[in-house]
Amino acid sequence: EAQVTQNPRYLITVTGKKLTVTCSQNMNHEYMSWYRQDPGLGLRQIYYSMNVEVTDKGDVPEGYKVSRKEKRNFPLILESPSPNQTSLYFCASSSGTGGVETQYFGPGTRLLVL
Amino acid sequence: AQSVTQLGSHVSVSEGALVLLRCNYSSSVPPYLFWYVQYPNQGLQLLLKYTSAATLVKGINDFEAEFKKSETSFHLTKPSAHMSDAAEYFCAVTDTGGFKTIFGAGTRLFVKA
Repeated sequence: EAQVTQNPRYLITVTGKKLTVTCSQNMNHEYMSWYRQDPGLGLRQIYYSMNVEVTDKGDVPEGYKVSRKEKRNFPLILESPSPNQTSLYFCASSSGTGGVETQYFGPGTRLLVL
Repeated sequence: AQSVTQLGSHVSVSEGALVLLRCNYSSSVPPYLFWYVQYPNQGLQLLLKYTSAATLVKGINDFEAEFKKSETSFHLTKPSAHMSDAAEYFCAVTDTGGFKTIFGAGTRLFVKA
């Protein structure tokens, strides 16, 4: 079954404690992306990756890091989380460029930073 | 930079009535336009996408959208609402490079029995 998985699904942490949210896809997609969803703001793109070792900033990259060492994985790293990073995070992948083909979304990771 | 405006954060229709969700994008013609649906506690699912092949785009579950360059719009419609259509809908565009995706704020659709 084609899918994008994220872990953890729910996470409560404290300010400053580094965390990583993993994202993995089994469709051999070149393109992967991270979004955060906040009420009234829709989804905002954090980072995206066009292929292994190729990443670029989206609209709200501050406070986040990513890496793409393998095609299937695209982890999101919060080196020093702050309360304003409390949000619902989605990972997505697609073949081709930036969503020309269907973007598949993961189930989401709900993060609370205290 | 591209921007997307969805008119109406909440829309309520009766079951069987026409669904119309509005989306306007910024003036430069975007390469691709999308509508996604998000059911409660789930990720986003693609409803349909415009890639310049045809201005009227048909998607899943009888949804369709029409690209109107003169109005910079890409409104989503469905002839007859079902209870199962109750969800949040997002309009999105990609930039000219095709990598950055900009989403609208979303419209929550309520369907009354």
